[in-house]
Amino acid sequence: NAGVTQTPKFQVLKTGQSMTLQCAQDMNHNSMYWYRQDPGMGLRLIYYSASEGTTDKGEVPNGYNVSRLNKREFSLRLESAAPSQTSVYFCASSESSGGGDEQFFGPGTRLTVL
Amino acid sequence: AQSVAQPEDQVNVAEGNPLTVKCTYSVSGNPYLFWYVQYPNRGLQFLLKYITGDNLVKGSYGFEAEFNKSQTSFHLKKPSALVSDSALYFCAVRQNTNAGKSTFGDGTTLTVKP
Repeated sequence: NAGVTQTPKFQVLKTGQSMTLQCAQDMNHNSMYWYRQDPGMGLRLIYYSASEGTTDKGEVPNGYNVSRLNKREFSLRLESAAPSQTSVYFCASSESSGGGDEQFFGPGTRLTVL
Repeated sequence: AQSVAQPEDQVNVAEGNPLTVKCTYSVSGNPYLFWYVQYPNRGLQFLLKYITGDNLVKGSYGFEAEFNKSQTSFHLKKPSALVSDSALYFCAVRQNTNAGKSTFGDGTTLTVKP
């Protein structure tokens, strides 16, 4: 049982390049989330997927797109990376989004945009 | 709207002493409240949550938290701190009708000295 896995662990991009961050969970959870963590700012929600086939914007969605590929996988795409997107990105999952379910987090992707 | 505040960036305690990490919240309805811990270069791990019922919640690793509705607080406590408790702690809140959208505090760094 691997929990939530993310790839890659580290990435360096140049401004304007694109990339996709991958996330998968093996807990049969319905809901999945993407956050970014910046120093002194806690975690901010980028997008979430309450269930397979649905996605919704979070607090900071600009510059990102997501795909809920199936129940297990939820990817985050940066179409044209900007230095302001330098951050640590965390994927998380929970049994549902509407109840009091806690979230399970992946190990993170450290992204640097030059 | 919902928000959470962790008023202390840093908390320092001696090993064996009790510890408290403070959290206050603001929601317009009933809250779901969570504490997570993050060790260096790792994802967040769930510690405990308040959904309803008993105001004193017990969680992992000997931690507990007390929900105080009148003071809108959910402080994390442990009777006897360990050096291994040193980490970054996050409080999170979600209004029970705000599916999917948890708000995290900025985090409090706990340092336990031998």
